[in-house]
Amino acid sequence: TQLLEQSPQFLSIQEGENLTVYCNSSSVFSSLQWYRQEPGEGPVLLVTVVTGGEVKKLKRLTFQFGDARKDSSLHITAAQPGDTGLYLCAGARAAGNKLTFGGGTRVLVKP
Amino acid sequence: KAGVTQTPRYLIKTRGQQVTLSCSPISGHRSVSWYQQTPGQGLQFLFEYFSETQRNKGNFPGRFSGRQFSNSRSEMNVSTLELGDSALYLCASTRDISYEQYFGPGTRLTVT
Repeated sequence: TQLLEQSPQFLSIQEGENLTVYCNSSSVFSSLQWYRQEPGEGPVLLVTVVTGGEVKKLKRLTFQFGDARKDSSLHITAAQPGDTGLYLCAGARAAGNKLTFGGGTRVLVKP
Repeated sequence: KAGVTQTPRYLIKTRGQQVTLSCSPISGHRSVSWYQQTPGQGLQFLFEYFSETQRNKGNFPGRFSGRQFSNSRSEMNVSTLELGDSALYLCASTRDISYEQYFGPGTRLTVT
């Protein structure tokens, strides 16, 4: 059983459309991170959120941490083919603790 | 600053053999974590080393072991390989007390 549930598992959209990926848990996390992984490579850190209700923007990507620090979302505006990849959320109970990863959301943006 | 490096990138082994994978963290990072990634189970935590000591451990059998050297480089060893050990093994490094982990490109292990 995944402590962090990601939805959807797979998303296929056309270039220019918006998408949202969700990461939910029944546990409270001190921080939540989002990574993007491309085939044959390791995950690349996109953002870390640590405060309940926090919203961070990275160009066309918007990350939100739930008020209760149990869930998070990633929204991509006007998706581009370069956004294609596996998006992973990961939570930590405390700094220095191991990360628990969600199952991942595979995003395909078609030109 | 150079990123996390892992060697080798690809490895093919036979059931029953053992394997050693290597990871060099980002300069100045003293924590190294290892993960196993498979299509069915996703990313699963193996163990974490900090200042040459194992600080956290996941739920893997004793065939999986690791160590860290004084220069923070780390190795993981898998003995008596099984077909199910075929996976991408990822190493990540972290500053002393930080949430953020930086991953290497991984070692793709295939057990035949």
